[in-house]
Parts: sequence; structure tokens; C-alpha cells
Amino acid sequence: QKEVEQDPGPLSVPEGAIVSLNCTYSNSAFQYFMWYRQYSRKGPELLMYTYSSGNKEDGRFTAQVDKSSKYISLFIRDSQPSDSATYLCASCPGWGGGNKLTFGTGTQLKVEL
Amino acid sequence: DVKVTQSSRYLVKRTGEKVFLECVQDMDHENMFWYRQDPGLGLRLIYFSYDVKMKEKGDIPEGYSVSREKKERFSLILESASTNQTSMYLCASSLSGGDTEAFFGQGTRLTVV
Repeated sequence: QKEVEQDPGPLSVPEGAIVSLNCTYSNSAFQYFMWYRQYSRKGPELLMYTYSSGNKEDGRFTAQVDKSSKYISLFIRDSQPSDSATYLCASCPGWGGGNKLTFGTGTQLKVEL
Repeated sequence: DVKVTQSSRYLVKRTGEKVFLECVQDMDHENMFWYRQDPGLGLRLIYFSYDVKMKEKGDIPEGYSVSREKKERFSLILESASTNQTSMYLCASSLSGGDTEAFFGQGTRLTVV
């Protein structure tokens, strides 16, 4: 079993829709949870991170972690064509460069006009 | 502006060749990482280094080695390339300690024929 599971999609939504992207994880030691966005032919870029359980909001993006169910979510409101990308969830026991990130497989999102 | 630069975007090599993938960061980061990214498998850690001349195996080190002679440069070496090493290779770097983000390069798409 992979430590971080993610539905690969692809997911196609109309512009303006609310998008929900989800991951599950199995390692109870994971404390930090990240979402990276990767555009085609580019490297991943950090979008958001959260520590432990709870919500974090940044503009149209909300990250949510439920440690009791080991569930990680990213919500995108008012989705735009520019949001079309692959979204990768990642986790690690501690935050910092020495802590190895464990990634999900990524969900490919397409927002259509 | 933060920058992680990988020497090649695309490489085609023959089976059995020794292959060098180079990565340079200009942020004075202590930590550097090599991942490979494959469809359905996501990003998997090959090796990482937390200091000059220091290295640790990641999840899939077999068939690879690394070199870090200078803080800004981290090289991935395929001693004898095989077709199952055809993949996207991503380099990343980060600071040690505290709340730090991993910054990724653009990736090198390696094809072994």
C-alpha cells in the first residue's frame, strides 16, 4: 500500500466550478501536508501547506486535513482555465529540508471554458 | 528569484551508457534531492543530500548514484542506463530546519533506447 494515495483523474470541470481534490495517507507520523501544482513540462511548485488537522485558506484555495480519518483535501473555488494542471499532495513527519516528502501520484485537472 | 536549474530538458541515451544529470541551485540551500516522476507512480525519491559530500538513499536508489562536491551542485549518475530508467527526473533543494519549502527544477526527460 502506498503511504499517500491520490486519484489520478483526469478531472474535467467547467470554468467557475468548485473543485475538490483528495488524498488519503497511512503513516500516522505525518504531521505536515502540502499541495504542489505542476503545469505541463514544468517542475512542481508549492501551493499550500498545513500542519496537523485543520483548514487553511489562501484566496480561492482551501486546504483541509482530517488526521482522524487520514484525509487531505484541496478545494478550488471559482475555478479558472489557468488552474488546469496536475495537483500533487505530499506529506512528511516534520517540516524542513531534511524531511523527505512522500508524494501522491497527482490528479490531473482541466478547467474548460 | 529562487532558481533550481537542471542542465538538460531532454536527453536520449543508449542502453549501457553512463549518464550524468546535473542540478544547480543558487539559493545557498543545504538540502538537495533527486526524484523521478512516472505516470501512475508520482514522484519517488532516489537520493538526497543534506550537506556537501553527504548523501542518503531514498526509496528507489538501485541503479543510481549521486555526487555533491559543492554546495550548489548535485549530480545524479546512472552507471549503466537501462530502458526502465526512462523517466522524468526532478531535482529539488531546500533550507534545513524550520518551515522550509522544497523548490523544484524544470525536470529532465530522459529516454533510454
